[in-house]
Amino acid sequence: AQTVTQSQPEMSVQEAETVTLSCTYDTSESDYYLFWYKQPPSRQMILVIRQEAYKQQNATENRFSVNFQKAAKSFSLKISDSQLGDAAMYFCAYRILNSGNTPLVFGKGTRLSVIA
Amino acid sequence: GAVVSQHPSWVICKSGTSVKIECRSLDFQATTMFWYRQFPKQSLMLMATSNEGSKATYEQGVEKDKFLINHASLTLSTLTVTSAHPEDSSFYICSARLGPSQPQHFGDGTRLSIL
Repeated sequence: AQTVTQSQPEMSVQEAETVTLSCTYDTSESDYYLFWYKQPPSRQMILVIRQEAYKQQNATENRFSVNFQKAAKSFSLKISDSQLGDAAMYFCAYRILNSGNTPLVFGKGTRLSVIA
Repeated sequence: GAVVSQHPSWVICKSGTSVKIECRSLDFQATTMFWYRQFPKQSLMLMATSNEGSKATYEQGVEKDKFLINHASLTLSTLTVTSAHPEDSSFYICSARLGPSQPQHFGDGTRLSIL
């Protein structure tokens, strides 16, 4: 079974600073997607960034970037120039890439606080 | 962009009542929809996968008769919590995607409170 592990239940960062959230996963598959979702207090699930496992280049979306280490099965999220609006729960998620109806598998989440 | 609409956003009802939650894909046809449950300060737990025109696939430990899922069209899936009890109180989130390689979009969730 696939598992996603987020070892940091809580993290905090000063406004304008950089923070890295950790995520590791366990899979025997070679083709899959990895995601980071943000869940603010409104509880809406917002896709932050996505990485295809077959791509070696790390995905970036403005202030958000990932460090994807396939051999180590590691997928960390770096948030640069942190803003107050970045405060939220962050979930790392994994999904097999196949023709079936495979769901997202989520980690337990990391609660990020941003200090003004 | 693609939008998934979930209704109602919040429901409070008495124990023993059945509650229906709707999940609609507004601008795309969703062959697959997923239902998740989220307890306070916890992650999303997959309850079931629903496919248009066929029976839902439930995760281990999820009672099929308690959580009835119907996916009658490519734009609508419903989750009915039958004879709800206080322990069923939770946050329920639906998610939909067009196909296996497509992004998964989430509804805004339903907060269910059973008194």
